[in-house]
Amino acid sequence: DSGVTQTPKHLITATGQRVTLRCSPRSGDLSVYWYQQSLDQGLQFLIQYYNGEERAKGNILERFSAQQFPDLHSELNLSSLELGDSALYFCASSVGDGELFFGEGSRLTVL
Amino acid sequence: DAKTTQPNSMESNEEEPVHLPCNHSTISGTDYIHWYRQLPSQGPEYVIHGLTSNVNNRMASLAIAEDRKSSTLILHRATLRDAAVYYCILIDRETSYDKVIFGPGTSLSVIP
Repeated sequence: DSGVTQTPKHLITATGQRVTLRCSPRSGDLSVYWYQQSLDQGLQFLIQYYNGEERAKGNILERFSAQQFPDLHSELNLSSLELGDSALYFCASSVGDGELFFGEGSRLTVL
Repeated sequence: DAKTTQPNSMESNEEEPVHLPCNHSTISGTDYIHWYRQLPSQGPEYVIHGLTSNVNNRMASLAIAEDRKSSTLILHRATLRDAAVYYCILIDRETSYDKVIFGPGTSLSVIP
């Protein structure tokens, strides 16, 4: 158990819909990272937050947005969903030393 | 971002040592070498990291070349549970670990 909690574990929705994925970091970790992993693809870095502020952006689509709240949990919002958005979405947290702790992921299926 | 190059796949027999190579010829002086692995259907997990000297922990050993342009992750006795994708990543402490980019990694198969 990494200490990072992601909900929901599985989500099935239709094209054009909007979903929110939630991540609770390990206690004391200020950094939260979001990654997307499509079938047989590598981990794509989406975005990183540190203590409520956006710190780095990767290949995140404009239809996607994220935020980190004062209690340090984070949400990834995916809108106008397309079939190609079906993937595993991982959240990771860190104290800021490069050692990332990953959650078990949220599997999104867009039909 | 400094890049790493790893073989796409490797095989090992169970209970034998495994040496997973990583080339990082453009590494900068402030880049730490990190290794993660991802077991099937799980999120990645941290394995080990180092800067210049060789490192050992309960999971593995990390051997870093003197010029730091390459490194090797060593699993001393491979078990079936070690079958995973292994990622070698450079993280620049100057940027406070803001962007952690994973490459394709090496898919390790362990043969019973």
